[in-house]
Amino acid sequence: LAKTTQPISMDSYEGQEVNITCSHNNIATNDYITWYQQFPSQGPRFIIQGYKTKVTNEVASLFIPADRKSSTLSLPRVSLSDTAVYYCLVGEHSNDYKLSFGAGTTVTVRA
Amino acid sequence: GAVVSQHPSRVICKSGTSVKIECRSLDFQATTMFWYRQFPKQSLMLMATSNEGSKATYEQGVEKDKFLINHASLTLSTLTVTSAHPEDSSFYICSATGPNEKLFFGSGTQLSVL
Repeated sequence: LAKTTQPISMDSYEGQEVNITCSHNNIATNDYITWYQQFPSQGPRFIIQGYKTKVTNEVASLFIPADRKSSTLSLPRVSLSDTAVYYCLVGEHSNDYKLSFGAGTTVTVRA
Repeated sequence: GAVVSQHPSRVICKSGTSVKIECRSLDFQATTMFWYRQFPKQSLMLMATSNEGSKATYEQGVEKDKFLINHASLTLSTLTVTSAHPEDSSFYICSATGPNEKLFFGSGTQLSVL
Protein backbone atom coordinates (compact mmCIF):
# COMPACT_ATOMS: atom_id res chain seq x y z
CA LEU A 1 0.00 0.00 0.00
CA ALA A 2 1.29 3.41 -0.94
CA LYS A 3 2.03 5.59 2.05
CA THR A 4 0.72 9.13 1.93
CA THR A 5 2.08 12.31 3.45
CA GLN A 6 0.04 15.46 3.92
CA PRO A 7 0.52 18.68 5.86
CA ILE A 8 -0.95 18.44 9.33
CA SER A 9 -2.84 21.70 9.11
CA MET A 10 -3.60 24.67 6.89
CA ASP A 11 -5.26 27.99 7.63
CA SER A 12 -7.20 30.06 5.15
CA TYR A 13 -9.77 32.82 4.89
CA GLU A 14 -13.19 32.83 3.34
CA GLY A 15 -13.17 33.25 -0.41
CA GLN A 16 -9.61 32.01 -0.86
CA GLU A 17 -8.50 28.95 -2.75
CA VAL A 18 -7.03 26.16 -0.66
CA ASN A 19 -4.59 23.68 -2.15
CA ILE A 20 -3.60 20.58 -0.21
CA THR A 21 -0.76 18.50 -1.59
CA CYS A 22 -0.40 14.82 -0.81
CA SER A 23 2.79 12.89 -1.48
CA HIS A 24 2.56 9.24 -2.48
CA ASN A 25 5.95 8.31 -3.87
CA ASN A 26 5.25 4.58 -3.92
CA ILE A 27 1.98 4.75 -5.81
CA ALA A 28 1.39 1.64 -7.92
CA THR A 29 0.32 1.56 -11.54
CA ASN A 30 -3.26 0.55 -10.80
CA ASP A 31 -3.74 2.85 -7.79
CA TYR A 32 -6.33 5.59 -7.72
CA ILE A 33 -6.13 8.70 -5.55
CA THR A 34 -9.16 9.53 -3.47
CA TRP A 35 -9.87 12.41 -1.12
CA TYR A 36 -12.30 12.41 1.76
CA GLN A 37 -13.59 15.20 3.99
CA GLN A 38 -14.52 14.72 7.62
CA PHE A 39 -16.37 17.11 9.89
CA PRO A 40 -16.23 16.69 13.67
CA SER A 41 -18.40 13.84 14.93
CA GLN A 42 -19.27 12.69 11.41
CA GLY A 43 -18.07 9.96 9.11
CA PRO A 44 -15.77 10.86 6.20
CA ARG A 45 -17.43 11.99 2.98
CA PHE A 46 -16.11 11.25 -0.52
CA ILE A 47 -14.90 14.39 -2.32
CA ILE A 48 -13.11 13.38 -5.48
CA GLN A 49 -11.14 10.58 -7.10
CA GLY A 50 -8.64 10.55 -9.92
CA TYR A 51 -6.00 8.52 -11.70
CA LYS A 52 -4.03 11.08 -13.71
CA THR A 53 -4.09 14.66 -15.00
CA LYS A 54 -7.00 16.71 -13.71
CA VAL A 55 -10.41 15.87 -12.37
CA THR A 56 -13.03 18.45 -11.48
CA ASN A 57 -16.44 18.17 -9.91
CA GLU A 58 -18.84 20.58 -8.27
CA VAL A 59 -16.88 20.56 -5.03
CA ALA A 60 -13.18 20.44 -5.88
CA SER A 61 -10.46 19.81 -8.40
CA LEU A 62 -7.75 17.21 -8.23
CA PHE A 63 -4.45 17.78 -9.99
CA ILE A 64 -2.18 14.81 -10.60
CA PRO A 65 1.19 15.29 -12.31
CA ALA A 66 2.48 12.87 -14.89
CA ASP A 67 4.64 10.91 -12.44
CA ARG A 68 1.66 10.54 -10.07
CA LYS A 69 3.92 10.74 -7.04
CA SER A 70 1.83 13.52 -5.61
CA SER A 71 -1.59 15.06 -6.00
CA THR A 72 -3.16 18.37 -5.08
CA LEU A 73 -6.70 18.86 -3.90
CA SER A 74 -7.94 22.33 -4.75
CA LEU A 75 -10.90 23.83 -2.94
CA PRO A 76 -12.04 27.01 -4.72
CA ARG A 77 -13.35 29.96 -2.74
CA VAL A 78 -13.63 28.24 0.61
CA SER A 79 -16.23 29.16 3.18
CA LEU A 80 -16.39 28.62 6.92
CA SER A 81 -18.25 25.38 6.32
CA ASP A 82 -15.21 23.92 4.57
CA THR A 83 -13.38 23.75 7.89
CA ALA A 84 -12.71 20.02 8.22
CA VAL A 85 -10.09 17.30 8.07
CA TYR A 86 -9.14 16.18 4.57
CA TYR A 87 -7.70 12.72 3.95
CA CYS A 88 -5.75 11.57 0.91
CA LEU A 89 -6.02 7.84 0.21
CA VAL A 90 -4.26 5.76 -2.41
CA GLY A 91 -5.19 2.28 -3.53
CA GLU A 92 -6.42 0.05 -6.31
CA HIS A 93 -9.59 -1.07 -4.66
CA SER A 94 -11.61 0.18 -1.75
CA ASN A 95 -10.23 -2.66 0.32
CA ASP A 96 -6.86 -1.00 0.00
CA TYR A 97 -8.11 2.12 1.68
CA LYS A 98 -8.84 0.47 4.95
CA LEU A 99 -5.28 0.80 6.16
CA SER A 100 -4.22 4.05 4.63
CA PHE A 101 -6.00 6.69 6.64
CA GLY A 102 -3.14 8.92 7.67
CA ALA A 103 -3.39 11.90 9.95
CA GLY A 104 -5.13 14.00 7.34
CA THR A 105 -4.93 17.76 6.92
CA THR A 106 -6.96 19.97 9.22
CA VAL A 107 -8.13 22.95 7.21
CA THR A 108 -9.36 25.91 9.22
CA VAL A 109 -11.21 28.65 7.37
CA ARG A 110 -11.54 31.99 9.14
CA ALA A 111 -13.85 34.87 8.41
CA GLY B 1 -25.32 8.47 -4.26
CA ALA B 2 -24.87 5.44 -2.08
CA VAL B 3 -25.97 5.85 1.54
CA VAL B 4 -24.70 4.10 4.62
CA SER B 5 -26.86 4.51 7.69
CA GLN B 6 -25.38 4.05 11.14
CA HIS B 7 -27.43 3.84 14.33
CA PRO B 8 -27.44 5.04 17.04
CA SER B 9 -25.58 8.29 16.57
CA ARG B 10 -24.90 8.60 20.27
CA VAL B 11 -25.11 6.21 23.18
CA ILE B 12 -24.32 6.52 26.85
CA CYS B 13 -24.12 3.37 28.91
CA LYS B 14 -22.97 2.12 32.26
CA SER B 15 -19.74 0.23 32.65
CA GLY B 16 -20.24 -3.49 32.17
CA THR B 17 -23.14 -3.28 29.77
CA SER B 18 -23.11 -4.19 26.09
CA VAL B 19 -23.88 -1.84 23.24
CA LYS B 20 -24.87 -2.73 19.69
CA ILE B 21 -24.21 -0.44 16.75
CA GLU B 22 -25.88 -1.04 13.39
CA CYS B 23 -24.54 -0.20 9.96
CA ARG B 24 -26.83 -0.48 6.95
CA SER B 25 -26.25 0.09 3.26
CA LEU B 26 -29.54 1.60 2.18
CA ASP B 27 -29.43 1.47 -1.60
CA PHE B 28 -26.74 -1.02 -2.46
CA GLN B 29 -25.50 -4.39 -1.36
CA ALA B 30 -22.27 -4.47 0.57
CA THR B 31 -20.41 -7.74 0.78
CA THR B 32 -17.70 -6.00 2.75
CA MET B 33 -18.02 -3.47 5.52
CA PHE B 34 -15.36 -1.94 7.72
CA TRP B 35 -15.46 -0.81 11.33
CA TYR B 36 -13.24 1.97 12.60
CA ARG B 37 -12.60 3.68 15.89
CA GLN B 38 -11.56 7.28 16.18
CA PHE B 39 -10.33 9.08 19.27
CA PRO B 40 -10.52 12.88 19.55
CA LYS B 41 -8.22 14.68 17.13
CA GLN B 42 -6.87 11.40 15.78
CA SER B 43 -7.33 9.60 12.50
CA LEU B 44 -9.54 6.60 11.83
CA MET B 45 -8.16 3.31 13.07
CA LEU B 46 -9.42 0.19 11.39
CA MET B 47 -10.78 -2.36 13.85
CA ALA B 48 -12.09 -5.09 11.60
CA THR B 49 -13.31 -6.07 8.17
CA SER B 50 -16.78 -7.55 8.08
CA ASN B 51 -17.64 -10.00 5.31
CA GLU B 52 -21.18 -11.11 4.65
CA GLY B 53 -21.73 -14.69 5.66
CA SER B 54 -18.32 -15.24 7.21
CA LYS B 55 -16.30 -14.32 10.25
CA ALA B 56 -14.90 -10.86 10.54
CA THR B 57 -11.20 -10.22 10.19
CA TYR B 58 -9.82 -8.25 13.12
CA GLU B 59 -6.80 -6.00 13.07
CA GLN B 60 -3.92 -6.68 15.39
CA GLY B 61 -4.62 -5.60 18.93
CA VAL B 62 -8.41 -5.60 18.59
CA GLU B 63 -10.12 -8.12 20.88
CA LYS B 64 -12.60 -10.12 18.84
CA ASP B 65 -14.44 -11.33 21.94
CA LYS B 66 -14.97 -7.78 23.07
CA PHE B 67 -15.95 -6.30 19.74
CA LEU B 68 -18.39 -8.76 18.21
CA ILE B 69 -19.15 -8.24 14.55
CA ASN B 70 -22.01 -9.83 12.69
CA HIS B 71 -22.64 -9.38 8.97
CA ALA B 72 -25.69 -11.53 8.45
CA SER B 73 -27.00 -9.89 5.30
CA LEU B 74 -25.73 -7.89 2.36
CA THR B 75 -27.08 -4.69 3.84
CA LEU B 76 -26.44 -4.98 7.55
CA SER B 77 -23.41 -5.30 9.78
CA THR B 78 -23.48 -4.89 13.54
CA LEU B 79 -20.76 -4.15 16.06
CA THR B 80 -21.41 -5.11 19.66
CA VAL B 81 -19.15 -3.72 22.33
CA THR B 82 -19.43 -6.26 25.11
CA SER B 83 -18.93 -5.40 28.76
CA ALA B 84 -18.04 -1.86 27.87
CA HIS B 85 -15.62 0.09 30.04
CA PRO B 86 -14.74 3.79 30.08
CA GLU B 87 -11.67 3.17 27.93
CA ASP B 88 -14.00 1.91 25.17
CA SER B 89 -15.50 5.38 24.91
CA SER B 90 -14.81 6.53 21.39
CA PHE B 91 -16.31 7.46 18.05
CA TYR B 92 -17.11 4.33 16.03
CA ILE B 93 -17.58 4.55 12.26
CA CYS B 94 -18.57 1.97 9.69
CA SER B 95 -18.03 2.01 5.96
CA ALA B 96 -19.09 -0.11 3.03
CA THR B 97 -17.79 -0.67 -0.45
CA GLY B 98 -20.36 0.81 -2.76
CA PRO B 99 -20.75 1.45 -6.46
CA ASN B 100 -17.57 2.03 -8.44
CA GLU B 101 -15.50 0.57 -5.62
CA LYS B 102 -15.83 3.73 -3.57
CA LEU B 103 -15.99 3.67 0.21
CA PHE B 104 -19.11 5.15 1.77
CA PHE B 105 -19.16 5.92 5.46
CA GLY B 106 -21.81 5.96 8.13
CA SER B 107 -22.33 9.06 10.23
CA GLY B 108 -20.63 7.51 13.23
CA THR B 109 -21.62 6.56 16.76
CA GLN B 110 -20.30 8.38 19.80
CA LEU B 111 -20.05 5.90 22.64
CA SER B 112 -19.66 7.16 26.18
CA VAL B 113 -19.20 4.60 28.92
CA LEU B 114 -19.75 5.88 32.45
